[in-house]
Amino acid sequence: ILNVEQSPQSLHVQEGDSTNFTCSFPSSNFYALHWYRWETAKSPEALFVMTLNGDEKKKGRISATLNTKEGYSYLYIKGSQPEDSATYLCASYNAGNMLTFGGGTRLMVKP
Amino acid sequence: ETGVTQTPRHLVMGMTNKKSLKCEQHLGHNAMYWYKQSAKKPLELMFVYSLEERVENNSVPSRFSPECPNSSHLFLHLHTLQPEDSALYLCASSQATGAGTGELFFGEGSRLTVL
Repeated sequence: ILNVEQSPQSLHVQEGDSTNFTCSFPSSNFYALHWYRWETAKSPEALFVMTLNGDEKKKGRISATLNTKEGYSYLYIKGSQPEDSATYLCASYNAGNMLTFGGGTRLMVKP
Repeated sequence: ETGVTQTPRHLVMGMTNKKSLKCEQHLGHNAMYWYKQSAKKPLELMFVYSLEERVENNSVPSRFSPECPNSSHLFLHLHTLQPEDSALYLCASSQATGAGTGELFFGEGSRLTVL
């Protein structure tokens, strides 16, 4: 069983603040790292799928980086808005295992 | 609308009941999944079907029984459940790539309460 850890578990920020959170995953036999956004009462929605060391992806104000050698990924949100409030999940796909999720970071953005 | 529909959205059942959760995907994907979300725990993979064959069951108790009659439909049959099985059950689908790069498309979940 893989160990995928996310920190912090929860985060409160003011509207307009930029923020970031961390996902750590096993670097051995690594194939892919996924980020999902899960709003309350909705279904989780994919943000990024990343595979290459040094990869950086961006969608609007949200971006993510990947370090496969040391086994971590950062998710950044620039100028947080109340609609960014959600739980952000990462998941790692390593050889011999299926996609394993971390516990998530719950972000609350205050207006 | 993600293209993955789950029914029922809420289910309350006694420990001796038999019920089923249903999932349908309209995305043409070839893999479907059942995940369990318990309070304060990460999403746990229960079952994976790829090309309608089960490829992972992840040591799930036999009181949970999956069925995948075709690539668009997935069921989770429930029998003699325990109160600790109360959780949100999420269905997902993806295009299986063999390298874990297919993003998952999730349904909204079935909230199960076992009395």
